[in-house]
Amino acid sequence: ETGVTQTPRHLVMGMTNKKSLKCEQHLGHNAMYWYKQSAKKPLELMFVYNFKEQTENNSVPSRFSPECPNSSHLFLHLHTLQPEDSALYLCASSQARDSYNEQFFGPGTRLTVL
Amino acid sequence: GQSLEQPSEVTAVEGAIVQINCTYQTSGFYGLSWYQQHDGGAPTFLSYNALDGLEETGRFSSFLSRSDSYGYLLLQELQMKDSASYFCAVGRGSTLGRLYFGRGTQLTVWP
Repeated sequence: ETGVTQTPRHLVMGMTNKKSLKCEQHLGHNAMYWYKQSAKKPLELMFVYNFKEQTENNSVPSRFSPECPNSSHLFLHLHTLQPEDSALYLCASSQARDSYNEQFFGPGTRLTVL
Repeated sequence: GQSLEQPSEVTAVEGAIVQINCTYQTSGFYGLSWYQQHDGGAPTFLSYNALDGLEETGRFSSFLSRSDSYGYLLLQELQMKDSASYFCAVGRGSTLGRLYFGRGTQLTVWP
């Protein structure tokens, strides 16, 4: 595997379900990010991790819970989501020093909440 | 807060030149980046300007004027494969990795 991978690529869940999104980067980076991309809206930064430490929580509802066990892996735990949370969830990584310019994105997880 | 404005759609023919403008309002500006995203694909980095001036990378160039809070992406010798969405993004603040994206410009290249 190369670059940034995300699983699953597609996910359909009910509002009462609990699921997790997984991201793995094979680039040796030390910063990882979660973004949300909804139709007709800009990419929204959700969380930032630098050397496994969360450095940014962009006013994200608590029904989204990130976890970063090491610099290569990032999870987004989901519970009691709402239909408006349906979106493409993108993971990205970068070297910390390059965080303002070149971030490498995974293919995303297309989430549908019923 | 911050805001970025870019056109929603641009169309051009193969071989032409297209300029996608981006104006921004933000505090703690750390540079302007451009990303390309094909339908169903991941955003991919194209270029970055931290200082005023033009950066050239092959057929793509990016320009920044910090005094005007303005930048653009210039695509030359357009090809069909350049049809995609193009996003400008500003890095701001003192916190690592805070990139704020515009709504994107959908470029359609016709044969």
